[in-house]
Amino acid sequence: QSALTQPPSASGSPGQSVTISCTGTSSDVGGYNYVSWYQQHPGKAPKLMIYEVSKRPSGVPDRFSGSKSGNTASLTVSGLQAEDEADYYCSSYAGSNNPHVVFGGGTKLTVL
Amino acid sequence: QVQLQESGPGLVKPSQTLSLTCTVSGGSISSGGYYWSWIRQHPGKGLEWIGYIYYSGSTYYNPSLKSRVTISVDTSKNQFSLKLSSVTAADTAVYYCARSRQGATLDYWGQGTLVTVSS
Repeated sequence: QSALTQPPSASGSPGQSVTISCTGTSSDVGGYNYVSWYQQHPGKAPKLMIYEVSKRPSGVPDRFSGSKSGNTASLTVSGLQAEDEADYYCSSYAGSNNPHVVFGGGTKLTVL
Repeated sequence: QVQLQESGPGLVKPSQTLSLTCTVSGGSISSGGYYWSWIRQHPGKGLEWIGYIYYSGSTYYNPSLKSRVTISVDTSKNQFSLKLSSVTAADTAVYYCARSRQGATLDYWGQGTLVTVSS
């Protein structure tokens, strides 16, 4: 059982928008602005897409955006493209006394 | 461009110790400012953070694995390593090393290496 809760699947048609949620607690997602999102294609290493809730690394399309409200973070992919089909994982910094990282269980995004 | 590369045995016997090394290029571990992480992914499953180390040697581990994990750093070789003791089949996974910046953002990842625990 993962520390953060994500829906197992999400889908949308090309050009549409889809939002993936990531729910934690006040000890992780709700307590820090250190939520990240990773994209993973089959057989590949994860790729950082969003960090510190809503920041995009250089090279990541602005179709990807992140937000947070309370204990729930969200990743929105706008203008869906075929290459966006992948697994998406959220993560959060957790625990000031014993700093560690927690991941969500992952969401399989299907572009219909 | 920072690059990370995992290396180590792909097969480990049950009850033995899994040992992996991550070699960093394009940046110096000893320059500071980053933590160096290990993450694993069981076949067909999600990601699990194992732990990370700072160049000074400070370590932080996943509480669920803490009793079996040791992460160390060799700044002279620009490498950091993972040891996981008393392995079982449940430790079969792809193991990734990654660079962590503030807030545990994992911005650069190795390609991953599959470690199978089997007799």
